Amino acid sequence: NAGVTQTPKFQVLKTGQSMTLQCAQDMNHEYMSWYRQDPGMGLRLIHYSVGAGITDQGEVPNGYNVSRSTTEDFPLRLLSAAPSQTSVYFCASSYSGGGESGETQYFGPGTRLLVL
Amino acid sequence: GDSVTQMEGPVTLSEEAFLTINCTYTATGYPSLFWYVQYPGEGLQLLLKATKADDKGSNKGFEATYRKETTSFHLEKGSVQVSDSAVYFCALSSSNTGKLIFGQGTTLQVKP
Repeated sequence: NAGVTQTPKFQVLKTGQSMTLQCAQDMNHEYMSWYRQDPGMGLRLIHYSVGAGITDQGEVPNGYNVSRSTTEDFPLRLLSAAPSQTSVYFCASSYSGGGESGETQYFGPGTRLLVL
Repeated sequence: GDSVTQMEGPVTLSEEAFLTINCTYTATGYPSLFWYVQYPGEGLQLLLKATKADDKGSNKGFEATYRKETTSFHLEKGSVQVSDSAVYFCALSSSNTGKLIFGQGTTLQVKP
């Protein structure tokens, strides 16, 4: 299993440009989430999904869109990039059931985004 | 709303020293609690977890006990190694929907 994969690893954008951060998982997890990591602020939830076709907003959703057309993929779209969106973005997935694997989130390696 | 507070870092220790990283939380109901670790340049990985009061999570010599009476989940290790140098995040999940609330992270540096 590849686990959770993210592309690209690093991206530079100019203010106003749009782009899509890709996330895929091969563990058949129902739940997927996007977080951003900023110095001194831990990770903050942007959007999350509890299954294909179902998404909801997290703590910091403004400026980002998501969709979940398949169980495997959960892309994050930046509509019009701003310098405040400079951050490291992590995608995560988890199993919806209980037991030892329940609620444990598996993280991708991250995408480092710089907006000029 | 729910929140997690961790002790400020960075924490600098000598090898074989005892480690404690404090974590307290605010949540309604009965959350599950987690410690994640992030090594330089990598994503986060689960270190340990506890799903109910008085549970003790343990892994790789690290331990944390879910204390509902003090709303705490402090991370401890009896003897740290240089390879433990990383950022440690305390987190909670109050509903099984794939949502985690994180503390701000604590950087640990272990010197030989």
